[in-house]
Amino acid sequence: GENVEQHPSTLSVQEGDSAVIKCTYSDSASNYFPWYKQELGKGPQLIIDIRSNVGEKKDQRIAVTLNKTAKHFSLHITETQPEDSAVYFCAAVNYNDMRFGAGTRLTVKP
Amino acid sequence: EPEVTQTPSHQVTQMGQEVILRCVPISNHLYFYWYRQILGQKVEFLVSFYNNEISEKSEIFDDQFSVERPDGSNFTLKIRSTKLEDSAMYFCASSSPGQLSGANVLTFGAGSRLTVL
Repeated sequence: GENVEQHPSTLSVQEGDSAVIKCTYSDSASNYFPWYKQELGKGPQLIIDIRSNVGEKKDQRIAVTLNKTAKHFSLHITETQPEDSAVYFCAAVNYNDMRFGAGTRLTVKP
Repeated sequence: EPEVTQTPSHQVTQMGQEVILRCVPISNHLYFYWYRQILGQKVEFLVSFYNNEISEKSEIFDDQFSVERPDGSNFTLKIRSTKLEDSAMYFCASSSPGQLSGANVLTFGAGSRLTVL
């Protein structure tokens, strides 16, 4: 089955800096890569996603890149704000089979 | 914005007791899922359900677990005889049929916290 590795497990940045979270996956059949943000006591919320026919996608301060050959995908948050502090999960999806990475706890210090 | 609703938000039970966690998926969704998150750990896949049957399950989803769609709106997870290690957040999710690439976008509920004493 699919195995998703996510790094780093914790990330601390100063407000205004950029944050990058990286994931790798094992199943070449995976074709959809969502990123979820989980705040304390809440369920994962989709923040951005990318499909395998696209190499990069941007939504305001958030961008995601995908390298299908290397089976890598990354989340980039620019101009970080304290409200970006949360746990971020990457996932790889093969049709209706979604597997998560272990999560990255991002702390943005004011 | 349509949402997935889960009840209860928190349940405390004694070891060996049966627990039923309930979910109301988004109304036009056809795929339903349960995930589990032990405190501080990753979100783990338990089971997916489509067309009134399990389509996939993980090694975690053993004989003590079962899922059911008893009517047109609810999707339940039953844990038959709870163990201490079942203590976790349980997330329900639902999705509609895949888009062009065939992959489904999941919407998660807020979770049900299960504490087994």
